[in-house]
Amino acid sequence: AQKITQTQPGMFVQEKEAVTLDCTYDTSDQSYGLFWYKQPSSGEMIFLIYQGSYDEQNATEGRYSLNFQKARKSANLVISASQLGDSAMYFCAMRENFGNEKLTFGTGTRLTIIP
Amino acid sequence: DAGVTQSPTHLIKTRGQQVTLRCSPKSGHDTVSWYQQALGQGPQFIFQYYEEEERQRGNFPDRFSGHQFPNYSSELNVNALLLGDSALYLCASSLARQGVSYGYTFGSGTRLTVV
Repeated sequence: AQKITQTQPGMFVQEKEAVTLDCTYDTSDQSYGLFWYKQPSSGEMIFLIYQGSYDEQNATEGRYSLNFQKARKSANLVISASQLGDSAMYFCAMRENFGNEKLTFGTGTRLTIIP
Repeated sequence: DAGVTQSPTHLIKTRGQQVTLRCSPKSGHDTVSWYQQALGQGPQFIFQYYEEEERQRGNFPDRFSGHQFPNYSSELNVNALLLGDSALYLCASSLARQGVSYGYTFGSGTRLTVV
């Protein structure tokens, strides 16, 4: 069974500092995808970054990068130069690629950026 | 380019009633998934519709049913509402290629309160 663990319920970070949000996962499949979403108070889940299990390079999207350590089954999100607008809930999610359309989410981390 | 549109944004229902939530997918998308997000939790997969059929279902009772129309829009119906059905219901659209969905885009959700 799939499982996503996010061990940081809340984090406070000074503006302009980098922040790492932790995510570990559990799956017996060799092929899977890992996602990070941002959920502001409006409720919409905003896609940030994706990493496929066979991707050799860590994914990057602007200020977001994913520190993928396959052997440790971790997929941490790194946000560089944090901004006040980064304050939100952040969710890590996983999907098995073949025949499984379900995204399994963690419980999230609430990130608060301090001016 | 319109994203995913959900209606209504908020809804209050009485226990035992029935409710219908609606979702219009992002332009170009043909697949719709529904998620339930209880307060303080990550979203939980309810089901996915593709080509007007339920393609995959999560661990939800038969009180939860859905429909997809020829224009790819979708409805989520919940019968015999329970207090525990109070949650944010998120719709995600995607594009299916060779049986796999890509480009998940979420709406802002419908917040359902059962009293």
